[in-house]
Amino acid sequence: EAGVTQFPSHSVIEKGQTVTLRCDPISGHDNLYWYRRVMGKEIKFLLHFVKESKQDESGMPNNRFLAERTGGTYSTLKVQPAELEDSGVYFCATRGGSTEAFFGQGTRLTVV
Amino acid sequence: GDSVTQMEGPVTLSEEAFLTINCTYTATGYPSLFWYVQYPGEGLQLLLKATKADDKGSNKGFEATYRKETTSFHLEKGSVQVSDSAVYFCALRDNAGNNRKLIWGLGTSLAVNP
Repeated sequence: EAGVTQFPSHSVIEKGQTVTLRCDPISGHDNLYWYRRVMGKEIKFLLHFVKESKQDESGMPNNRFLAERTGGTYSTLKVQPAELEDSGVYFCATRGGSTEAFFGQGTRLTVV
Repeated sequence: GDSVTQMEGPVTLSEEAFLTINCTYTATGYPSLFWYVQYPGEGLQLLLKATKADDKGSNKGFEATYRKETTSFHLEKGSVQVSDSAVYFCALRDNAGNNRKLIWGLGTSLAVNP
């Protein structure tokens, strides 16, 4: 069974540009989470989808971040325009009804 | 709000040494507690968990006991190996509600030398 897959693994963009991160969940996992780890700080929750619906987006830093999960399958997280402080590792995790969350390898975003 | 405090690293040990990574938490309810590990170049993996007070989670020679009286969940291993070199994260999950998001510690980097 394929695990949680994230694309790209690493992205370097200039300040002001747009970047879109993608997460492909484990098949059948309705719950999808985005987390972020900024260097030197703890991993922080960003938001939670149940199927295509946003269950909790209280961790989204500001309106430059937009997450979608069309059709309840893969999810994208778009940052527009990117700022230097957006640099970090973005993790996606998915969970079935009674399982613990499985994490992807993360996308390392560097904004220069 | 809920929080996790984890001992800062990096921790450097020789092979076969005893490992302890301290983790304490603050929570209003009855959280579940976790240790995750991130090996170089890989994603986060669940190492072990405990869901209620006095539970002991164990996996790959690692252990941690949920201590409600001291609000702690310290990670231990009796004899570390070079392959244990990784970053270890302590986390809690508030079991109230349907969100089940994780609250994380800072992470502790462990390097084991041969």
